Amino acid sequence: GQQVMQIPQYQHVQEGEDFTTYCNSSTTLSNIQWYKQRPGGHPVFLIQLVKSGEVKKQKRLTFQFGEAKKNSSLHITATQTTDVGTYFCAEDNYGQNFVFGPGTRLSVLP
Amino acid sequence: GAVVSQHPSRVICKSGTSVKIECRSLDFQATTMFWYRQFPKQSLMLMATSNEGSKATYEQGVEKDKFLINHASLTLSTLTVTSAHPEDSSFYICAQLAGDGTGELFFGEGSRLTVL
Repeated sequence: GQQVMQIPQYQHVQEGEDFTTYCNSSTTLSNIQWYKQRPGGHPVFLIQLVKSGEVKKQKRLTFQFGEAKKNSSLHITATQTTDVGTYFCAEDNYGQNFVFGPGTRLSVLP
Repeated sequence: GAVVSQHPSRVICKSGTSVKIECRSLDFQATTMFWYRQFPKQSLMLMATSNEGSKATYEQGVEKDKFLINHASLTLSTLTVTSAHPEDSSFYICAQLAGDGTGELFFGEGSRLTVL
């Protein structure tokens, strides 16, 4: 089945530093979604990217979808302690099922 | 507010017993419900996709006789872990697609199962 990989697995940053997580697939993705899961919580939808080369912003978060639709990135500018959590990318395989990447666990030191 | 209500949030049971987890759709009808399992500090692993009124589709390696899924109505899907063993201890979480066609997944709060 399809697989999406994410790097890094863990990231520790000082508050105010930037953070980026990357999602990669060996096959072309129909779309890519990003979710955030706070410690002890459930995943919450952040965004969906569909078009090749698409870039979307949500305040300090910038999401990109690669031109070949095989990779994506999430960049957080000037991290805050509220950004702590695990960030997952996911592909919905044309609506049939949702496959999640392994996630990047972000910790932010105050 | 919550779109998907899942309970129980935590359950502890003895080995060999069965546990039922319920997910209710609150804001819109869920034709399809996804069931995931998450071990500590790991990703979400899709177990099965349940469809209202039909048999669930299980992912490879998931025992359908052990993890019984029922989706009898558009607002309720259940997962029953039968004859639970300690290795079944995990975080089980359901999710449904948004009813507006955006492709967004709404997750339940999750159920943490501990089998003694």
